[in-house]
Amino acid sequence: KNEVEQSPQNLTAQEGEFITINCSYSVGISALHWLQQHPGGGIVSLFMLSSGKKKHGRLIATINIQEKHSSLHITASHPRDSAVYICAVRSWAAGNKLTFGGGTRVLVKP
Amino acid sequence: KAGVTQTPRYLIKTRGQQVTLSCSPISGHRSVSWYQQTPGQGLQFLFEYFSETQRNKGNFPGRFSGRQFSNSRSEMNVSTLELGDSALYLCASSGMDEKLFFGSGTQLSVL
Repeated sequence: KNEVEQSPQNLTAQEGEFITINCSYSVGISALHWLQQHPGGGIVSLFMLSSGKKKHGRLIATINIQEKHSSLHITASHPRDSAVYICAVRSWAAGNKLTFGGGTRVLVKP
Repeated sequence: KAGVTQTPRYLIKTRGQQVTLSCSPISGHRSVSWYQQTPGQGLQFLFEYFSETQRNKGNFPGRFSGRQFSNSRSEMNVSTLELGDSALYLCASSGMDEKLFFGSGTQLSVL
């Protein structure tokens, strides 16, 4: 079992829809990152969080430390949100190394 | 402020050769980390350097090595290349807030 599991693996939405991506992890963590990777493009860090909730524009990230779960929400989705979204955790149990989820491929249709 | 720069962008090597990849972090960032991305394994952590010291190492064979210089620039080296080393190699730098800034990567093909 992977230490970091993301769901769903693939997601297709219509423009304007609300999107939720989930990330579950099995180890104690010091921080969780949400990353975005466009096709053929580099990786952009969206959020780094260790508790609570963060918001940036139409993106919201939440984390529940007790349940070892985080969600990334995209409100009013747009075709430019089409990308792979990757969850990564920094675990003190693993010597503070970053461990990545498998990614969620999001396609937003106009 | 210039971003993270990785060179070269593309590289083609044959089995048994060695390769050196370079990463120039954002000015002022002292932490540089390296990652391998493949379609099968996804993103995997290689190693992390801070102020010229290796702080962490992932589960890769000893053929994978790296170093960081006093100006925070970093290099990674892969010796005795294997077909399975074909991948996108990414580096990221971070400052005190630990937010990661990624380079565009080096696409390595081993023939």
